Amino acid sequence: ETGVTQSPTHLIKTRGQQVTLRCSSQSGHNTVSWYQQALGQGPQFIFQYYREEENGRGNFPPRFSGLQFPNYSSELNVNALELDDSALYLCASSEPGLYNEQFFGPGTRLTVL
Amino acid sequence: KQEVTQIPAALSVPEGENLVLNCSFTDSAIYNLQWFRQDPGKGLTSLLLIQSSQREQTSGRLNASLDKSSGRSTLYIAASQPGDSATYLCAFMNRDDKIIFGKGTRLHILP
Repeated sequence: ETGVTQSPTHLIKTRGQQVTLRCSSQSGHNTVSWYQQALGQGPQFIFQYYREEENGRGNFPPRFSGLQFPNYSSELNVNALELDDSALYLCASSEPGLYNEQFFGPGTRLTVL
Repeated sequence: KQEVTQIPAALSVPEGENLVLNCSFTDSAIYNLQWFRQDPGKGLTSLLLIQSSQREQTSGRLNASLDKSSGRSTLYIAASQPGDSATYLCAFMNRDDKIIFGKGTRLHILP
């Protein structure tokens, strides 16, 4: 069984740029959720994708967008980067039939200068 | 506003002690509650998941309880080891499939 993987591991961008983060879900999982974790804080829910459709969104502006592909992998896109976007971005996959237990990837550390 | 509070924010205990981490939440209509471990700069590792119909779950030296009526969960760690040092996060899934996290408890086990 393959776990959740994320790429890249680290990323440095400047204000105003755009970034794309990638996530491959655990084998058999059709739901992917994205979280932003600022230093010293708990993860904040950004949005969730289920079978290629957005299935819920947290309090993040529209410049945070996503996609889910037929193989259930997913992308998180952030436009017009701001300094406060610097954080660890976590992806989690789950299977609704398995009590929605969340399995997390190692995260992508984004630094915005 | 749905919130999760974890107390204490940080804890240092000598190796071998038993300890309890506390989590309180504001929404009694939860779908499940999950405890995670996070090492510095890393992703989250799922420790235990308790469904809303359950009262507790056990895995090795870990035991998690759930009391929906009081909005509380505890994570009990028996015979603590230095390798248990990490941040422990509590999160619940609400009926809208959104997951709400606490800020975590930073645990340091002293050798």
